[in-house]
Amino acid sequence: GNSVTQMEGPVTLSEEAFLTINCTYTATGYPSLFWYVQYPGEGLQLLLKATKADDKGSNKGFEATYRKETTSFHLEKGSVQVSDSAVYFCALRDGGSNYKLTFGKGTLLTVNP
Amino acid sequence: DAGVTQSPTHLIKTRGQQVTLRCSPKSGHDTVSWYQQALGQGPQFIFQYYEEEERQRGNFPDRFSGHQFPNYSSELNVNALLLGDSALYLCAVPGTSGSNEQFFGPGTRLTVL
Repeated sequence: GNSVTQMEGPVTLSEEAFLTINCTYTATGYPSLFWYVQYPGEGLQLLLKATKADDKGSNKGFEATYRKETTSFHLEKGSVQVSDSAVYFCALRDGGSNYKLTFGKGTLLTVNP
Repeated sequence: DAGVTQSPTHLIKTRGQQVTLRCSPKSGHDTVSWYQQALGQGPQFIFQYYEEEERQRGNFPDRFSGHQFPNYSSELNVNALLLGDSALYLCAVPGTSGSNEQFFGPGTRLTVL
């Protein structure tokens, strides 16, 4: 079945540091890939997405590239801010799943001033 | 704004009781999915409703059931509550026609004592 593996957290960075959160997946067919963010006490927000190999999703300074050869979708940001502190979830939707998402366990990011 | 409201925000129940959670999509969202997010975990797919029928189901026991009304709002019912049912329950709707992302409501926090 489908699965998503994220790097274990928590991740603690200083403001303006470079961020990478690793995500790899196992899926049948050609999945779409997503990053969601969950701020403290809130629901999930879609951060970015990519629907086919070599696509790059980007939003709010975050980027992730869909790498089919390595089955990866790593999240990066060049300079994090305190306001980026949240839990980040990698997720996939396979081609025939009719909107069902499979999530990773999440990575807690804390950015200190 | 994902266009999804959920009620109640928080709920406390005791073991063995039954609970009903509600999800109201904005007009035009005809597909509703439910997810369970245990503390420190990623969301897990419970089931999906479309045109008032359950279309897809995740690995959850029959104690979890649902319903979708003609106005596309939905209910999630859980019978014979267990301590392990304590979680954030999220409702999700698809994005615009042709897109494949899901947008989530704020969730209902269920605590089972």
